[in-house]
Amino acid sequence: SQQGEEDPQALSIQEGENATMNCSYKTSINNLQWYRQNSGRGLVHLILIRSNEREKHSGRLRVTLDTSKKSSSLLITASRAADTASYFCEGLESHAGKSTFGDGTTLTVKP
Amino acid sequence: EAQVTQNPRYLITVTGKKLTVTCSQNMNHEYMSWYRQDPGLGLRQIYYSMNVEVTDKGDVPEGYKVSRKEKRNFPLILESPSPNQTSLYFCASRAGTGSTEAFFGQGTRLTVV
Repeated sequence: SQQGEEDPQALSIQEGENATMNCSYKTSINNLQWYRQNSGRGLVHLILIRSNEREKHSGRLRVTLDTSKKSSSLLITASRAADTASYFCEGLESHAGKSTFGDGTTLTVKP
Repeated sequence: EAQVTQNPRYLITVTGKKLTVTCSQNMNHEYMSWYRQDPGLGLRQIYYSMNVEVTDKGDVPEGYKVSRKEKRNFPLILESPSPNQTSLYFCASRAGTGSTEAFFGQGTRLTVV
């Protein structure tokens, strides 16, 4: 069964608005990463946050990690139509090799 | 160009006919992994390999085999495919199991009839 859960499952916003997606996980992780997938294509890495970090920024992306709640959030600011895609979080266990993905959030940004 | 290459991209096969999906990476990565993606279920890890001749089960290994004889290749073998293995498959590699990003192949869409 999936250990990663993401909400919302689908999100529809207007261009220029911010989009926030959340991810929860169950086991201990070494780091958490967010990926983007365009319609059935391969996943593309967006940002990584380590277990000892609380917040990280990269361009219009902001990721937070709360290890006590086993949750993470991805914020995309000033969204664009080109941000339309599915977004997944991945928890990677320390040195164990096992990785678990969330079910994903499908984001639609309307022009 | 750094990449992970999967073949074939699309495959329709019949129940019970053995098949292999190949995966090759040109980044000298130690870690490789296979996932399947089904609607509403995200990506589920099938098998992973932390180095040559070292493989381990992910969350959904039943019905699959893998091998890692060389660092660059990590084929996925379905000895006797069944319709419930119809899915979108992704191969990924990363430099190590530490804080490194995964590079994904473009996917293999498999249909078993």
